[in-house]
Amino acid sequence: KAGVTQTPRYLIKTRGQQVTLSCSPISGHRSVSWYQQTPGQGLQFLFEYFSETQRNKGNFPGRFSGRQFSNSRSEMNVSTLELGDSALYLCASYLWGTDTQYFGPGTRLTVL
Amino acid sequence: GQQVMQIPQYQHVQEGEDFTTYCNSSTTLSNIQWYKQRPGGHPVFLIQLVKSGEVKKQKRLTFQFGEAKKNSSLHITATQTTDVGTYFCAGGGSARQLTFGSGTQLTVLP
Repeated sequence: KAGVTQTPRYLIKTRGQQVTLSCSPISGHRSVSWYQQTPGQGLQFLFEYFSETQRNKGNFPGRFSGRQFSNSRSEMNVSTLELGDSALYLCASYLWGTDTQYFGPGTRLTVL
Repeated sequence: GQQVMQIPQYQHVQEGEDFTTYCNSSTTLSNIQWYKQRPGGHPVFLIQLVKSGEVKKQKRLTFQFGEAKKNSSLHITATQTTDVGTYFCAGGGSARQLTFGSGTQLTVLP
């Protein structure tokens, strides 16, 4: 099976802009979680989707949002970018009812 | 909220030496998972422990889950240069989200 794919792999934006990141889960996986990874804060949970519904949300401001489509692909959006949003954004997919998460390669976002 | 502490933050070892990283949770965990992230890569699932006192082995790696299900450890015997990377524990609690530890960055000196 193909792994989790994320696009784009690298992104450079300026403060105030918005960005949309995409994640395609492993075939058959209907659950997707998003994480932000920074050197200072480590891996922090953003949100989790299953069957197009957000099931859990981490402690991030409303500028961070996401959605999931009927084919299980997911997108996350960050509006009004800040310098501190520079991070590696990781998507993980898994079978609902299991806990093993399979991570994608991530999108490296740099905010200038 | 749930917090997972992981120590040490960094560990340098000579090739052939052993290595251990420890995780402690502020709350009882339903399970604990371990991931490895190579430099420039993404976290890769290693193992999941579910039962109190569980011990699992993968070749030179030994994983333990504490009796109270609040702590865990990963021990690598006779490290090799291929073991280089950051090892994360991740605790599963009452919610489905995983809470990751801060990771232990392992450097193996040849």
